[in-house]
Amino acid sequence: DVKVTQSSRYLVKRTGEKVFLECVQDMDHENMFWYRQDPGLGLRLIYFSYDVKMKEKGDIPEGYSVSREKKERFSLILESASTNQTSMYLCATGTVNYGYTFGSGTRLTVV
Amino acid sequence: ELKVEQNPLFLSMQEGKNYTIYCNYSTTSDRLYWYRQDPGKSLESLFVLLSNGAVKQEGRLMASLDTKARLSTLHITAAVHDLSATYFCAVVSFGNEKLTFGTGTRLTIIP
Repeated sequence: DVKVTQSSRYLVKRTGEKVFLECVQDMDHENMFWYRQDPGLGLRLIYFSYDVKMKEKGDIPEGYSVSREKKERFSLILESASTNQTSMYLCATGTVNYGYTFGSGTRLTVV
Repeated sequence: ELKVEQNPLFLSMQEGKNYTIYCNYSTTSDRLYWYRQDPGKSLESLFVLLSNGAVKQEGRLMASLDTKARLSTLHITAAVHDLSATYFCAVVSFGNEKLTFGTGTRLTIIP
């Protein structure tokens, strides 16, 4: 089974801080995704990456950037955290034919 | 732009009854996925549907895909309390690898 590890389950940061969320997968998949999940809004795609150093904007990329220097690691960066970025962040990886596996999520609170 | 709609958004049903959750999507695709999410947890993969007419079953859950109607259904047979959760469908459209989610259906099984 694919294992997707997100570095933190809970995180509390101050407004204006630079925040790094890390995601590591163990299956050598090319595709990796970052979503945020908010009540009533479902899961919204922030960014995805289809290979090392390759990235594509999702539906809500504003205020975020990503980094993929190695195939197994996909980082989400909040350049200057704001309270409206308080959310649950979910990382996923997989393939079209075998489906996608999600990490356990990081609940970020920005105060 | 791919849009994925689920209905109903909320479903409260008695144990032992049958019901169906519907997932409609707006563009051509034959790659559809169903997930389950328990409160405070991440997403668990239930079914991967990869062709028109695909049907998958696991326990009391059965999923099907009609690509011509752009419709997938998740059927629950003789519901039990353990099936209480939020269920999401997700679609990958042709030509890219972006995974787009429906809004989710919160299912509550009442004893």
